[in-house]
Amino acid sequence: EPEVTQTPSHQVTQMGQEVILRCVPISNHLYFYWYRQILGQKVEFLVSFYNNEISEKSEIFDDQFSVERPDGSNFTLKIRSTKLEDSAMYFCASSEMQSGANVLTFGAGSRLTVL
Amino acid sequence: TQLLEQSPQFLSIQEGENLTVYCNSSSVFSSLQWYRQEPGEGPVLLVTVVTGGEVKKLKRLTFQFGDARKDSSLHITAAQPGDTGLYLCAGAWAGNNRKLIWGLGTSLAVNP
Repeated sequence: EPEVTQTPSHQVTQMGQEVILRCVPISNHLYFYWYRQILGQKVEFLVSFYNNEISEKSEIFDDQFSVERPDGSNFTLKIRSTKLEDSAMYFCASSEMQSGANVLTFGAGSRLTVL
Repeated sequence: TQLLEQSPQFLSIQEGENLTVYCNSSSVFSSLQWYRQEPGEGPVLLVTVVTGGEVKKLKRLTFQFGDARKDSSLHITAAQPGDTGLYLCAGAWAGNNRKLIWGLGTSLAVNP
């Protein structure tokens, strides 16, 4: 069964450092997403991406965050200067372009720990 | 702010018991999804409901979408230890089905 893969599974970084989280969405999917889940809190939408541009972003997704699809397979989330409060599980998801209910397939997540 | 409230937050039951968990909102959603999440993994979609009053069954799991599309329930019959996990509901707003709003989840433990 097709799956979304994320790397790394766990990254520990110092505050102020840049972090890149990588995702390989399902190959025939056209919409890509990043969500995050701070420990003990709700899953939160960060950004959606379609046709090589951001289609929507949340208030969390400030100018410290960026996304990129550098080639035909990878979808990355970059945090330029990490803060302690960026520590969370970051989930990548992808979906086919369709009307009606949208079905997202999630990756296993990348756990980011900022010290 | 659109909120999805899930209850109960924690549930511990014995194998063979039945249970129902709830997902409630004051807002109308165009669709609602139920996910199950295991520790250290991403959410895995169980079902999507889109029509008010809709009922979907997945083996021993029964999902219902409220008539007004503001709430949903998940009923598990004869729970098994393998049902243990975090059950999350997520809703999509009308006109924006690409941004999901999530509940905090119900953590279910089924004891043998």
